[in-house]
Amino acid sequence: AQKVTQAQTEISVVEKEDVTLDCVYETRDTTYYLFWYKQPPSGELVFLIRRNSFDEQNEISGRYSWNFQKSTSSFNFTITASQVVDSAVYFCALSEADYGGSQGNLIFGKGTKLSVKP
Amino acid sequence: DTAVSQTPKYLVTQMGNDKSIKCEQNLGHDTMYWYKQDSKKFLKIMFSYNNKELIINETVPNRFSPKSPDKAHLNLHINSLELGDSAVYFCASSQEGEDAGELFFGEGSRLTVL
Repeated sequence: AQKVTQAQTEISVVEKEDVTLDCVYETRDTTYYLFWYKQPPSGELVFLIRRNSFDEQNEISGRYSWNFQKSTSSFNFTITASQVVDSAVYFCALSEADYGGSQGNLIFGKGTKLSVKP
Repeated sequence: DTAVSQTPKYLVTQMGNDKSIKCEQNLGHDTMYWYKQDSKKFLKIMFSYNNKELIINETVPNRFSPKSPDKAHLNLHINSLELGDSAVYFCASSQEGEDAGELFFGEGSRLTVL
């Protein structure tokens, strides 16, 4: 069965600290996709990254970086030098579909609420 | 122009009523979805439509029915509303191919059933 676990319910840091959000997934498929989405206090859901199961390269985008390790079934997200604007709920998600359309059938984790204090 | 738009943004209604939430996307995407976010922020897919065909139908009550008049619209109809239906409902769309799964979400529609 597919499952996404975000063990950290809430994290609070002070601005400029680095913070890592953990994500562990379960799947029986060899082809799958992993995602991170951000939900700021305003409520919208914003796509951050998509990674397929065959690409274990780490990704860096500005202050954001992602570490994908199939050996531990983890897809962790690190924010470097956090800012107040990073305060949001962050969701990790998994998709097992390998054909068009239902790749958007995402299994979400329960989210990690990040609070960055000035 | 808003990429994925939903109306209404807020909806307060009584138990037993029937209501609809509309969704439109102007991105030319092939697939549209409805997700439900409960009071604990848990997100779960309800439906998706690809080229006007229902391709995913999770185990939601049959009081919920998606209707897609065309590729750019996916409306959500809810009959005989119950207290437990109170949630935020998100519409989303995505393109097939390399970007599949990259969902563009609407702003959400907060439904409160009294």
